[in-house]
Amino acid sequence: AQSVTQLDSHVSVSEGTPVLLRCNYSSSYSPSLFWYVQHPNKGLQLLLKYTSAATLVKGINGFEAEFKKSETSFHLTKPSAHMSDAAEYFCVVSDPNYGQNFVFGPGTRLSVLP
Amino acid sequence: DAGITQSPRHKVTETGTPVTLRCHQTENHRYMYWYRQDPGHGLRLIHYSYGVKDTDKGEVSDGYSVSRSKTEDFLLTLESATSSQTSVYFCAIRNGNSGNTIYFGEGSWLTVV
Repeated sequence: AQSVTQLDSHVSVSEGTPVLLRCNYSSSYSPSLFWYVQHPNKGLQLLLKYTSAATLVKGINGFEAEFKKSETSFHLTKPSAHMSDAAEYFCVVSDPNYGQNFVFGPGTRLSVLP
Repeated sequence: DAGITQSPRHKVTETGTPVTLRCHQTENHRYMYWYRQDPGHGLRLIHYSYGVKDTDKGEVSDGYSVSRSKTEDFLLTLESATSSQTSVYFCAIRNGNSGNTIYFGEGSWLTVV
C-alpha cells in the first residue's frame, strides 16, 4: 500500500533563511510525487510534481524538491523564506499500481518569523 | 484555474438532516474526487468517479454517497448528517493532460450541529 510520512508537523523559520520540509513515502518502483500548498481557508495549490523525469524538480515561488529513490524521500526546499510562504504543505504520492487514489501526508505547517 | 466550482461554500446543518454538496467542472475531465480534510489527517478520499455513472469508494466512504449523471457534475450526499462529518470537503479533478495531476476546488466548509 502507499503511504506518506511528513516528519515534522510544524516548522518555524526566520524570513530569509532556508526552508526544508521533509517527506518520505512508501510505494512501488515508480510513483508520482507532488507537493501542494494550502493557505488559510483556501484550496490546495500545486507547487511541483515528480513524474519520473528529472529527479530535481523546480516548482513555483522558488521551491524545489529532489526525488531520492534509495531514501524513498521527496523533501521540499527553498533557499530563502518569505513571509508569504507561511502555509500548510502536503506531500502526496500516486501510484497507478494501487488504483486511482492520491495519498496525502498529514501536512506540515510552516511559520515564517520576521 | 482548473475550472472547478464547489457549492455551497459554507453550510451549517442539524444532525440527522440530508446534505448535498455539488462539484462542477468545465473541462470535461474523466476523473473526479471528493476528499475531506481534518486536522492531523491531511486529505482522505471519500469517493471518486471515473466517468458518468461510474463511481467507487475511498477510504472513508461510510455515511456518504455520490452520483455523477453528467460529466461536469459530481454530487456528494450525506444521507443523515452526524457531528463527525463536520469537516472541510474538497472536490478535485485529475488532469490526464498534465501528468495525471489533481487540481482542487476551493472547498466546502460543513458544520453539523
